[in-house]
Amino acid sequence: DQQVKQNSPSLSVQEGRISILNCDYTNSMFDYFLWYKKYPAEGPTFLISISSIKDKNEDGRFTVFLNKSAKHLSLHIVPSQPGDSAVYFCAASARTSGTYKYIFGTGTRLKVLA
Amino acid sequence: GAGVSQTPSNKVTEKGKYVELRCDPISGHTALYWYRQSLGQGPEFLIYFQGTGAADDSGLPNDRFFAVRPEGSVSTLKIQRTERGDSAVYLCASSQIAGPSGANVLTFGAGSRLTVL
Repeated sequence: DQQVKQNSPSLSVQEGRISILNCDYTNSMFDYFLWYKKYPAEGPTFLISISSIKDKNEDGRFTVFLNKSAKHLSLHIVPSQPGDSAVYFCAASARTSGTYKYIFGTGTRLKVLA
Repeated sequence: GAGVSQTPSNKVTEKGKYVELRCDPISGHTALYWYRQSLGQGPEFLIYFQGTGAADDSGLPNDRFFAVRPEGSVSTLKIQRTERGDSAVYLCASSQIAGPSGANVLTFGAGSRLTVL
């Protein structure tokens, strides 16, 4: 049972344009979400988080949107740069249920074309 | 230390052997996580510790897998009677738990790649 889903395994975007990466979840108890970026042979690197009390969080070129009713979040990268080419994972936890266990999606490979 | 350190970075072993993977978290981080990542998949949760105790070990696939964190810092993931299906990258992460309304970001190590022949 995949509780966190990233249905697009890959995405190609032109440099300077917007990249939109999507993530869906099934567990309505999830209340805290993280996005990570991963380069080959490295561990995932934290990008941005969002709590369920918000519907948007922004940090520089990265913005995460949360739609609780649809159980959907998205990461927007504007403008996209070639160095953004990596695999992106979303992760979710149900903190107010007393757990800090994070469930990760399967990832989306982003390729930014110069 | 400055980051999460995992050793060994690569381990090749034969089916049936015993393996230990070590994780040295960021100093002061109370929570420590183990994940396993297979090719083309996302990190799969195995276990996390709060201090010395396992807060949730529901992801350990079977009783061949065991993890300890005896002093609340370094952790060791132990795999007995390894099987070819255990081949994966084992990721460790640490975090400072800030409560249900604070930030709680996992900082990952580079991983230990395990290959079981």
